Amino acid sequence: GNSVTQMEGPVTLSEEAFLTINCTYTATGYPSLFWYVQYPGEGLQLLLKATKADDKGSNKGFEATYRKETTSFHLEKGSVQVSDSAVYFCALSDSWGKLQFGAGTQVVVTP
Amino acid sequence: DAGVIQSPRHEVTEMGQEVTLRCKPISGHNSLFWYRQTMMRGLELLIYFNNNVPIDDSGMPEDRFSAKMPNASFSTLKIQPSEPRDSAVYFCASSLGDRLAVGSYEQYFGPGTRLTVT
Repeated sequence: GNSVTQMEGPVTLSEEAFLTINCTYTATGYPSLFWYVQYPGEGLQLLLKATKADDKGSNKGFEATYRKETTSFHLEKGSVQVSDSAVYFCALSDSWGKLQFGAGTQVVVTP
Repeated sequence: DAGVIQSPRHEVTEMGQEVTLRCKPISGHNSLFWYRQTMMRGLELLIYFNNNVPIDDSGMPEDRFSAKMPNASFSTLKIQPSEPRDSAVYFCASSLGDRLAVGSYEQYFGPGTRLTVT
């Protein structure tokens, strides 16, 4: 079946540091890939997505590229802010729109 | 748009009581998903509907859980009887997509219902 593996947290960074969260997946066919973010006490929000190989999703300074050859979708941001502190979830979607989430990675950005 | 609406936001109940969680999806969306989030198990998909029809309920933990979607604008998740291990945050999400492309459509999540069973 489909599965998503992402790096464990928490990841603690200083403001303006570079952030990478690794995500790899196992799936049949050609899933769509997503990064969701969850701020404390809130539901998940879509951060970015990619629907086919080599697509790059980007939003709010975050980027991720759909790499079929390495089955990866790593999230990156060049300069994080305190407001980026949250839990980040990698996910893939089957053709029914059913999402398979990774375990989530907590990111803590300190001033 | 108001987004996905869930009620109540918080629910505290005693073991053995019936609990009903409610969800109003975004108008026009045709897929609806119920998730449960706990520290131990992370995010789990419980059930999802497409055009009001349950497609996959394999994530429903046991017979104590049931979900309905009587129309396109309303869904309920019921737990009867509730147990302390049901304590979690329950999220509802909706999305729009046809059968051939629904996988590429993002899901919009509600704020969640925090359930505590004592």
